[in-house]
Amino acid sequence: QQQVKQSPQSLIVQKGGISIINCAYENTAFDYFPWYQQFPGKGPALLIAIRPDVSEKKEGRFTISFNKSAKQFSLHIMDSQPGDSATYFCAGNYGQNFVFGPGTRLSVLP
Amino acid sequence: DVKVTQSSRYLVKRTGEKVFLECVQDMDHENMFWYRQDPGLGLRLIYFSYDVKMKEKGDIPEGYSVSREKKERFSLILESASTNQTSMYLCASSGPSPAVSTDTQYFGPGTRLTVL
Repeated sequence: QQQVKQSPQSLIVQKGGISIINCAYENTAFDYFPWYQQFPGKGPALLIAIRPDVSEKKEGRFTISFNKSAKQFSLHIMDSQPGDSATYFCAGNYGQNFVFGPGTRLSVLP
Repeated sequence: DVKVTQSSRYLVKRTGEKVFLECVQDMDHENMFWYRQDPGLGLRLIYFSYDVKMKEKGDIPEGYSVSREKKERFSLILESASTNQTSMYLCASSGPSPAVSTDTQYFGPGTRLTVL
């Protein structure tokens, strides 16, 4: 029940395209869903996050879509750029209990 | 600017050695975490601490221990390193309240440990 599933494992997108990463969770106690971005040689950093009372959150080119009834959420990266090439982790959280998905390696081709 | 630092970026140890990984944060955060990161498995929580001298087991504590003598410092100890502990180790901190689930975790750059 703790698991957060994430797909795809890897993703290749052309510059200017849309990148979509999907996550699903089981634990209904989660009340915060962050996405982290990790560049090679760096630790993960918070990219964008959403709470389950909101169906969508947008920050610049990054949008989270949240479907509470399906227990699914996704990250959309519009106008993907080579600088977006990184590993992305979704997570579910309550209190200080963070459960991360396995990660998606995104490559944006120039 | 927030900062979490880890004592080493790369570390090579031999089987059976005692290994210390150090983490320091400068944000006065109450909460600190140790994760290991392995391909395809994401981040798995080893231990966390919500206060000085307090610690809680995470999902995979076997073979590890931790120490938190000061608020800013959280150490991960491998009492007798084994080859299956070869991994990337990430430290994180967050604050100030365990009840506030919107706390952001700030991560250090990681320590890549190889056990031969």
